[in-house]
Amino acid sequence: GAVVSQHPSWVICKSGTSVKIECRSLDFQATTMFWYRQFPKQSLMLMATSNEGSKATYEQGVEKDKFLINHASLTLSTLTVTSAHPEDSSFYICSATGANTEAFFGQGTRLTVV
Amino acid sequence: AQSVTQPDIHITVSEGASLELRCNYSYGATPYLFWYVQSPGQGLQLLLKYFSGDTLVQGIKGFEAEFKRSQSSFNLRKPSVHWSDAAEYFCAVGGKPSGSRLTFGEGTQLTVNP
Repeated sequence: GAVVSQHPSWVICKSGTSVKIECRSLDFQATTMFWYRQFPKQSLMLMATSNEGSKATYEQGVEKDKFLINHASLTLSTLTVTSAHPEDSSFYICSATGANTEAFFGQGTRLTVV
Repeated sequence: AQSVTQPDIHITVSEGASLELRCNYSYGATPYLFWYVQSPGQGLQLLLKYFSGDTLVQGIKGFEAEFKRSQSSFNLRKPSVHWSDAAEYFCAVGGKPSGSRLTFGEGTQLTVNP
């Protein structure tokens, strides 16, 4: 299957700082990328949908000013957690889908805010 | 609104035993159904998918799933479980084969006893 690379795999940051997570489709053009958040022992919660060259569409309850999403190219989307706080600690997963491909998922990023 | 229910939060089976993980969905149009597997701290890997045609679909790692429209179900099965199958399994539904958001079930944690 197609490969989606997410980086970093884990990150620890201080409260108040910002963290950027990258999601790359390595062998296909990702017209749409999705960002999910997963709490321990829970399912994936969709945070936002981003289409290349457009503003992201955020799910209800997700602060767009806190979780900045950029999808500037067909192979890269980034999620920036701004002014991170301990409650933002979580597992973040991206998925990418192309015109004729189902969604492929990145490996996830474990964010810990201390 | 679309939804997915996985009634079993946790299932334990012995190695070599058969397995069935249940999935029920609610979707107003033609559903596109997926099963994913997630190992701890990892992203999601696609096991199989159903779009149309034969209602019994084969996937990777010896898994299969059967789509039953009358029961709104898409149960995952494996004839003989291996210890390496221990993981979290998610059923998901989407509105089209690619490019659409997925709605996930809560997941079923599979434990395999030796």
